[in-house]
Amino acid sequence: NAGVTQTPKFRILKIGQSMTLQCTQDMNHNYMYWYRQDPGMGLKLIYYSVGAGITDKGEVPNGYNVSRSTTEDFPLRLELAAPSQTSVYFCASSKASFQGAIPSSGNTIYFGEGSWLTVV
Amino acid sequence: AQSVTQPDIHITVSEGASLELRCNYSYGATPYLFWYVQSPGQGLQLLLKYFSGDTLVQGIKGFEAEFKRSQSSFNLRKPSVHWSDAAEYFCAVGLNYGGSQGNLIFGKGTKLSVKP
Repeated sequence: NAGVTQTPKFRILKIGQSMTLQCTQDMNHNYMYWYRQDPGMGLKLIYYSVGAGITDKGEVPNGYNVSRSTTEDFPLRLELAAPSQTSVYFCASSKASFQGAIPSSGNTIYFGEGSWLTVV
Repeated sequence: AQSVTQPDIHITVSEGASLELRCNYSYGATPYLFWYVQSPGQGLQLLLKYFSGDTLVQGIKGFEAEFKRSQSSFNLRKPSVHWSDAAEYFCAVGLNYGGSQGNLIFGKGTKLSVKP
């Protein structure tokens, strides 16, 4: 009953360092997403993927990169960490998108437990 | 532009009292609407969703929400709050047009505190 799993849960980075946030899901979902959550700001979409080998930018992609080599995994990479990237990161997945879809549980987006990242 | 507004940043209610959390959205098409709850240090858990049909939607943990198209609202309600309901609640609208498939636009959240 794992769902969406993110690692690490907590990380402190120095400015200019790089790291990868790992995300894996075991629900055979086609769609995966990375969001960041800043205090008092709700969640904003960084990148998303509609299937293996296909990724696209969300609302706030600058400073991040993603890849999707398998259905299960969707890692998020920070190349040159900056203090502005201090945030809580959530990975999420869904079976289908909303576009043109018959509303069903397949459209629901399921979230991981989050990764707290501090850049100092 | 699409947006979700949660007017109340922080609400405090007494245990056993009723609760209503407000959510207004701005979206040109038929909205897909969601309420998520986030306990401290945890991820987001889906409480309920509205896609179509009956405008009163039942969710988990005794929550319900009513979609009112004329008011562009999707308010969350619970008749009797429990101390374990203390958390942050997020309303979200799902974008269903091309190029943003599955994207959710979130409100800024309402933090709920429960007094004993």
